[in-house]
Amino acid sequence: EVQLVESGGGLVKPGGSLRLSCAASGFTFSSYSMNWVRQAPGKGLEWVSSISSSSSYIYYADSVKGRFTISRDNAKNSLYLQMNSLRAEDTAVYYCARDVSSWYYFDYWGQGTLVTVSS
Amino acid sequence: QSALTQPPSVSGSPGQSVTISCTGTSSDVGSYNRVSWYQQPPGTAPKLMIYEVSNRPSGVPDRFSGSKSGNTASLTISGLQAEDEADYYCSSYTSSSTLVFGTGTKVTVL
Repeated sequence: EVQLVESGGGLVKPGGSLRLSCAASGFTFSSYSMNWVRQAPGKGLEWVSSISSSSSYIYYADSVKGRFTISRDNAKNSLYLQMNSLRAEDTAVYYCARDVSSWYYFDYWGQGTLVTVSS
Repeated sequence: QSALTQPPSVSGSPGQSVTISCTGTSSDVGSYNRVSWYQQPPGTAPKLMIYEVSNRPSGVPDRFSGSKSGNTASLTISGLQAEDEADYYCSSYTSSSTLVFGTGTKVTVL
């Protein structure tokens, strides 16, 4: 059974940093592109970042470019999101999602982890 | 990259059909057949319902269908059921090799 489990969320002050993790199981992690998608409370979905299976291709939304860094460790079946210079508008549930095709079709999602940026 | 435009809400009675539009630009929806649709009931993670404009993943009922014309994609739910009540989001690949989601549509079954 495919499982994606996010962790690392919490309360952080503006300007602070946080590192999210996503532990994958039930599939060959190293064969799939992975993504982070976020959803602010009561708002819609926002794509954040993607990383190809071998980390050769990495993309970011303009809203996080230069502040967030996506990475993965295929040996540990894990995806990461390092978030720096956090702002109040980064407050959201962060989901990791598996890309079934490398064309941004997300067939499996984690349960999400809440990041709250507030003083 | 601006979000794709969806109507805030649509509604229908059980058994009826509803259609959700998703309008983008020539830099996303209009140039690529890389449109997908997600269903998100309250408090849950999104579920992939349609990919590549009109393809259904295994397990998705054939009541759900997708299409595209120009810069606008559409999701149609035929034979509306109570369990279809949820938020729906479109998404599209963009010319920057990124992804953009739609603004979301709440489907209400009357």
